[in-house]
Amino acid sequence: DAGVIQSPRHEVTEMGQEVTLRCKPISGHDYLFWYRQTMMRGLELLIYFNNNVPIDDSGMPEDRFSAKMPNASFSTLKIQPSEPRDSAVYFCASRLTGQGAALHFGNGTRLTVT
Amino acid sequence: AQSVAQPEDQVNVAEGNPLTVKCTYSVSGNPYLFWYVQYPNRGLQFLLKYITGDNLVKGSYGFEAEFNKSQTSFHLKKPSALVSDSALYFCAVRENQAGTALIFGKGTTLSVSS
Repeated sequence: DAGVIQSPRHEVTEMGQEVTLRCKPISGHDYLFWYRQTMMRGLELLIYFNNNVPIDDSGMPEDRFSAKMPNASFSTLKIQPSEPRDSAVYFCASRLTGQGAALHFGNGTRLTVT
Repeated sequence: AQSVAQPEDQVNVAEGNPLTVKCTYSVSGNPYLFWYVQYPNRGLQFLLKYITGDNLVKGSYGFEAEFNKSQTSFHLKKPSALVSDSALYFCAVRENQAGTALIFGKGTTLSVSS
């Protein structure tokens, strides 16, 4: 099992540019989550999907953020246009349906917007 | 709304001594409770969980946690700390119903000195 795979590991971009973060969940997992981690705010839930359908996007900070899950093995988080305050580590996680199923995290994408 | 509080930003303990990392939660209904650990530049790793049953749950690397419903707490413990246990620890909760997302505390940095 390769685990949750995120790419890129690091992204440095200039303010105003579009950024796309990618995630491949563990095969067979039907929930996928995007979290953002910063020193000030800790781990924040941005959005999550069940069977490729967005369930709750109330954590998405602004309209500049969007997420898609076109199929069971791929999801993207896009920021357009990016701003310096978007700098953070973005994590993707997946899990199975089921009582108390644990989340499995990727290694994250460290985004720096200058 | 569900929430998690980790009252200590940092816990310092000497190697070989017992350690406790505190967590309290708020959730309507019965909770699913989790502990995760994060090492530098890595994603979160699952340690243990409480779903139902015995209030004392055992997890990876010798860690255990005790669920206390009356105090709404789920403290993480280990009888004898190792230097290699030094990391960032997160407590998390979600409601005992289908389709809910995990909400994380702000994390506690554990530092074990030799």
